Amino acid sequence: DAKTTQPTSMDCAEGRAANLPCNHSTISGNEYVYWYRQIHSQGPQYIIHGLKNNETNEMASLIITEDRKSSTLILPHATLRDTAVYYCLNTDSWGKLQFGAGTQVVVTP
Amino acid sequence: GAVVSQHPSWVICKSGTSVKIECRSLDFQATTMFWYRQFPKQSLMLMATSNEGSKATYEQGVEKDKFLINHASLTLSTLTVTSAHPEDSSFYICSAEQGSGNTIYFGEGSWLTVV
Repeated sequence: DAKTTQPTSMDCAEGRAANLPCNHSTISGNEYVYWYRQIHSQGPQYIIHGLKNNETNEMASLIITEDRKSSTLILPHATLRDTAVYYCLNTDSWGKLQFGAGTQVVVTP
Repeated sequence: GAVVSQHPSWVICKSGTSVKIECRSLDFQATTMFWYRQFPKQSLMLMATSNEGSKATYEQGVEKDKFLINHASLTLSTLTVTSAHPEDSSFYICSAEQGSGNTIYFGEGSWLTVV
């Protein structure tokens, strides 16, 4: 079972920053937080992952709270192509990614 | 990022036949690959973990004799759906783990329709 909770859906205006929250209060000390997104009828696309420190790459930024119980994925300038289901995950005790329902993000013009 | 490729992208087969789906890591070696299934409007469900050179481990409720997994090399895992039935129609997705930091990349998925 997924160990993270996310809002079911979120709307975002094109060109604005999209901030996607995730709660992972049961995360263990050595488990990473991963973010993926899935555009309809495609395999999940890797976005970013982190352990303790904030991370940034060409796609997004990941902000992890100091207690590691929650994180926020930031898409700095949302485009229409960013419309997708966004999944926040961490691995289970066997190192496997278990998916929850994710957040359906709709970017509107 | 790293590339994981699946083949075929879509397949239609008759009830009672078997169909094989391949998952390849194109630019890295993967000792561990994972197979997921996704039904329409649902999330991905982990089916099994494919380990190179050893038997796959299956999630609870997944029939190992129906979903045969072979991981014969560090770049290839195959999923064979045996004696397929219409209820096996689904989107099958694989993923592969790359190196330290445990970055996991997913394939494009394979649509299976059983008629």
